[in-house]
Amino acid sequence: SQQGEEDPQALSIQEGENATMNCSYKTSINNLQWYRQNSGRGLVHLILIRSNEREKHSGRLRVTLDTSKKSSSLLITASRAADTASYFCATDLGVAAGNKLTFGGGTRVLVKP
Amino acid sequence: DAGVTQSPTHLIKTRGQQVTLRCSPISGHKSVSWYQQVLGQGPQFIFQYYEKEERGRGNFPDRFSARQFPNYSSELNVNALLLGDSALYLCASSLVWDTEAFFGQGTRLTVV
Repeated sequence: SQQGEEDPQALSIQEGENATMNCSYKTSINNLQWYRQNSGRGLVHLILIRSNEREKHSGRLRVTLDTSKKSSSLLITASRAADTASYFCATDLGVAAGNKLTFGGGTRVLVKP
Repeated sequence: DAGVTQSPTHLIKTRGQQVTLRCSPISGHKSVSWYQQVLGQGPQFIFQYYEKEERGRGNFPDRFSARQFPNYSSELNVNALLLGDSALYLCASSLVWDTEAFFGQGTRLTVV
C-alpha cells in the first residue's frame, strides 16, 4: 500500500453536515499537507501541518495529526455543495527523501444540496 | 499575484513523439516539482528542482527529463511517448523545498 492512504474512498453527505476523512501513513514525516481537486483540475492547497503540530484550523477546515498512530484527519464543517471535490493527503518525508510529496488515492466527497 | 501557470493546457501527441511541458512558478518561489496524475489516482512525483539543481527524482524512466531555468521556470520533457504516458501533468512551486506546494492547473496529455 501507499505511504499515504485516505479513508473512506468516497463520501456522500447532505449540505450542512460535517465531512471527516482520514489519512494513514507508514513512516515518519516532516509535514503532511491536504489538497482539494475539482474535476481533474489543479490541486488547491488547504493546510500544511508539521510533525510537531497536533491541530490546525483554516476557516471551516480542521486538520489533526497523530504521529504516534501515523494518521491525520481532515474535518470540513457545515459542508456546502461547492465542497464537492476529491481530497488528497500528501506526506513529506523530509530532506533525506528529497522533500517530495507522496499522495494517497484521495477521498471523493459529494455534498448534496 | 499570479499563481503557478502551465502551458499548454491540453495536448494530443502520437506514440513515439516527444513533448515539452512548461511551468512558471509563483514569483519568489525557487522550488519547482513535477507530478503525473493518471485518471482516478493520486499524483505521482516525477522531479523536484531547487535553484536549478535536481533535488529528487521519482520512479520514472529516463524518457522523462526536466530542467529549471535561471528565472526558476521549468520544462518537463518526455521522449518516445507511450499510450501509458497519457495523464494530467502537474507542476507545483514552493518557496523552499519543505513549505506549502502550490499547484498549477496542469497539462492534460493524451497519447494516441
